[in-house]
Amino acid sequence: DAVLTQSPLSLPVTLGQPASISCRSSQSLVYSDGGTYFIWFQQRPGQSPRRLIYQVSRRDSGVPDRFSGSGSDTDFTLRISRVEAEDVGFYYCMQDTQWPWTFGQGTKVEI
Amino acid sequence: EVQVVESGGGLVQPGGTLRLSCAASGFTFSGSDMNWVRQAPGKTVEWVSYISPGGRGFYYADSVKGRFTISRDDAKNSLFLQMNSLRGEDTAVYYCVGGHFQYWGQGTRVTVSS
Repeated sequence: DAVLTQSPLSLPVTLGQPASISCRSSQSLVYSDGGTYFIWFQQRPGQSPRRLIYQVSRRDSGVPDRFSGSGSDTDFTLRISRVEAEDVGFYYCMQDTQWPWTFGQGTKVEI
Repeated sequence: EVQVVESGGGLVQPGGTLRLSCAASGFTFSGSDMNWVRQAPGKTVEWVSYISPGGRGFYYADSVKGRFTISRDDAKNSLFLQMNSLRGEDTAVYYCVGGHFQYWGQGTRVTVSS
């Protein structure tokens, strides 16, 4: 199974400052079709997770452009260019390249 | 407006069974892959099961293989999860997720305890 390791697990942030979360896979996430299937989710307190980024860097509709995803093969990053108060919560990475699909442990972002 | 509503959770004894249901609307259910995902208290999210559009393809996490069965009824825009031989470690909030993880419900809580 592809084990996803996020870092840091806790991320104190300052409003208006950038922040980034890393997710490293134990196996390559490049699929046989050449694509890389990797997702970032946000889970605000008391809410269900929300998909932010899919296929490494494609931002979902309605997601602020301060969120961006990058990476390849085994190393991936979620960046927030300027943190806002509504960004507080947990962030999870997930790979949907190989079965079983797996999630990272989560990163808690707090002001 | 997209709506995903789970039901069927509750308290069950170890070894018991539950059947979760999910009613979806606001997107093309029949053309969407569907998943069950769970989150134990204070834990990360765990993918549980997938079913393809049309229902011919399905996959399970190793932790539930042989005990859980996913199914769908496209005529009723509904997704199901039959859970047998339940264990304490199955205690979690179970989410129905569609549109390849775009559309999430609020979850239904399953507690396995004697």
